Amino acid sequence: DAKTTQPPSMDCAEGRAANLPCNHSTISGNEYVYWYRQIHSQGPQYIIHGLKNNETNEMASLIITEDRKSSTLILPHATLRDTAVYYCIVRGDNAGNMLTFGGGTRLMVKP
Amino acid sequence: DGGITQSPKYLFRKEGQNVTLSCEQNLNHDAMYWYRQDPGQGLRLIYYSQIVNDFQKGDIAEGYSVSREKKESFPLTVTSAQKNPTAFYLCASSLGTGREELYFGPGTRLTVT
Repeated sequence: DAKTTQPPSMDCAEGRAANLPCNHSTISGNEYVYWYRQIHSQGPQYIIHGLKNNETNEMASLIITEDRKSSTLILPHATLRDTAVYYCIVRGDNAGNMLTFGGGTRLMVKP
Repeated sequence: DGGITQSPKYLFRKEGQNVTLSCEQNLNHDAMYWYRQDPGQGLRLIYYSQIVNDFQKGDIAEGYSVSREKKESFPLTVTSAQKNPTAFYLCASSLGTGREELYFGPGTRLTVT
């Protein structure tokens, strides 16, 4: 599976959009981009995933560049409860491909 | 109410003792996983199981053992051979091991002294 690079930490003001970047320059054609988040001392929570089209759900939007070498997770109106570590993961769709979690981005939402 | 349960939330053991962490799911998922997390680090895969009575080693299986006798249960034993067992242990499950999202339990924090 391709490797991802994320900034170690980011701040965001409450109520503003949080834009979390991820680089995955070695991504291959059948690999999806997944985002999970982990609130302190809890299990990670699935947020969203996509292949090449932009995706949106009730939690967030995922914007993938046309060359698929990077993506951005957008939390449109960040709240204090969105403070967490956000993991960007690239994974193939073959059975047996496991999620590999890197260090992630620690997002701090401030009042 | 479907989900994954791990118990206990905190576990303390003396060095040299084996300890078994429980993981139960009622989501009817075929695949189950164990991850380990050290402070300030990401998750590392210990073992995974795609189906009952079958399991495979992950990236850091040494010093650990698992069993999958029932679909809903995937216990992890931390043996005395694991050199640094103190960590946060997370169990997860998914429908299969393709593109399906993982559902995680609340975790067990193991401290060995």
